[in-house]
Amino acid sequence: GAVVSQHPSWVICKSGTSVKIECRSLDFQATTMFWYRQFPKQSLMLMATSNEGSKATYEQGVEKDKFLINHASLTLSTLTVTSAHPEDSSFYICSARPPGLAEGYEQYFGPGTRLTVT
Amino acid sequence: DAKTTQPNSMESNEEEPVHLPCNHSTISGTDYIHWYRQLPSQGPEYVIHGLTSNVNNRMASLAIAEDRKSSTLILHRATLRDAAVYYCIPRGGNQFYFGTGTSLTVIP
Repeated sequence: GAVVSQHPSWVICKSGTSVKIECRSLDFQATTMFWYRQFPKQSLMLMATSNEGSKATYEQGVEKDKFLINHASLTLSTLTVTSAHPEDSSFYICSARPPGLAEGYEQYFGPGTRLTVT
Repeated sequence: DAKTTQPNSMESNEEEPVHLPCNHSTISGTDYIHWYRQLPSQGPEYVIHGLTSNVNNRMASLAIAEDRKSSTLILHRATLRDAAVYYCIPRGGNQFYFGTGTSLTVIP
């Protein structure tokens, strides 16, 4: 099956700093990737849709200037949490969709990145 | 996007079948029904998906009601590795919107 990786798997940063999370599709090209956030004991919340070569589409209520998304290649999307604060501490998960699939395709999810802001 | 209703939690004995229900009464006619599961501190894992007909794969079976307003994920023989949160996701566009899911506990 298709594999999606994330780096780092966990990161601790100080309040006010920025942190970058990478999402890579290892064995397929992904024109579209997705970023989710998950707080403890809660479900996944879709943050944004990342399209290769164009601007990301953010879900309502997600701050574009705080969560910068770049999808510069068909195998890599990055999420940068700018000026991180403790309330940004969460589990960030990406997913990717192989191109060219018919309707009903499944998404492949990364293992997640645990961000702790101190 | 269609809203879903799933039991918060369910229990099953090991090696017994498990039926996980999902209500999606507002589903659109072209929405596929996806099921994913998530183990603690991991990303979700694809389980199965379908549109109208019942579907089987090596992991599970998906039974879709004739009116498509509900579906049931069937694990034929639960193992300890099946303990996870199971999400039912009706999907119409590119995006997946996760509901609260069902936390499945498998009792040895």
